[in-house]
Amino acid sequence: QVQLQESGPGLLKPSETLSLTCTVSGGSISNYFWSWIRQPAGKGLEWIGRISTSGSTNYNPSLKSRVTMSVDTSKNHFSLQLNSVTAADTAVYYCARGTLGGDPWGQGTLVTVSS
Amino acid sequence: QSVLTQPPSASGTPGQRVTISCSGSSSNIGSNAVNWYQQLPGTAPKLLIYSSNQRSSGVPDRFSGSKSGTSASLAISGLQSEDEADYYCAAWDDSLNGVFGGGTKLTVL
Repeated sequence: QVQLQESGPGLLKPSETLSLTCTVSGGSISNYFWSWIRQPAGKGLEWIGRISTSGSTNYNPSLKSRVTMSVDTSKNHFSLQLNSVTAADTAVYYCARGTLGGDPWGQGTLVTVSS
Repeated sequence: QSVLTQPPSASGTPGQRVTISCSGSSSNIGSNAVNWYQQLPGTAPKLLIYSSNQRSSGVPDRFSGSKSGTSASLAISGLQSEDEADYYCAAWDDSLNGVFGGGTKLTVL
């Protein structure tokens, strides 16, 4: 079955750029929307954005100025960049298939922003 | 402050039926379908309900979803101890972004 795996640096300094990749295995990335969702420790889920395999994107208005998503169908993966991170961006970041995070989800990766 | 409003907590005894509400607006729940997720401690969320009332593959029929106007509900019947988890609702908003509820912590007494 389809599985997702997030990868990327787990520790960033303030003002750096967060870069994560979600690799899709067990199936094709094509013809779906793919999303990123994050969860600060002890808090709820926050939708970051979605991307189609044609490259069409929609972002959370509160993050839009700092977020870029991309997709590479040849590598069966999609990516998230978040610029100018602060401590408030510390969270577990999930990738998922579907606009709102449908099925499946990745296991999540903790990104900590600290000087 | 989440766009969708859920009660922070809910509880029930084994065998009981509990419901969790999710309140939104005309631009999200009022005009789009709702998803429900279950998140067990230390794990990624799992899709329970999509399209407001469709169970995801493998989800027991004890779980059901409904929507009316700008509100949605998740019902769990025959409550079991393994249902103790956080539950989230989500919907697409007509302003072209996804929105989540703040989550409800379900305790099985």
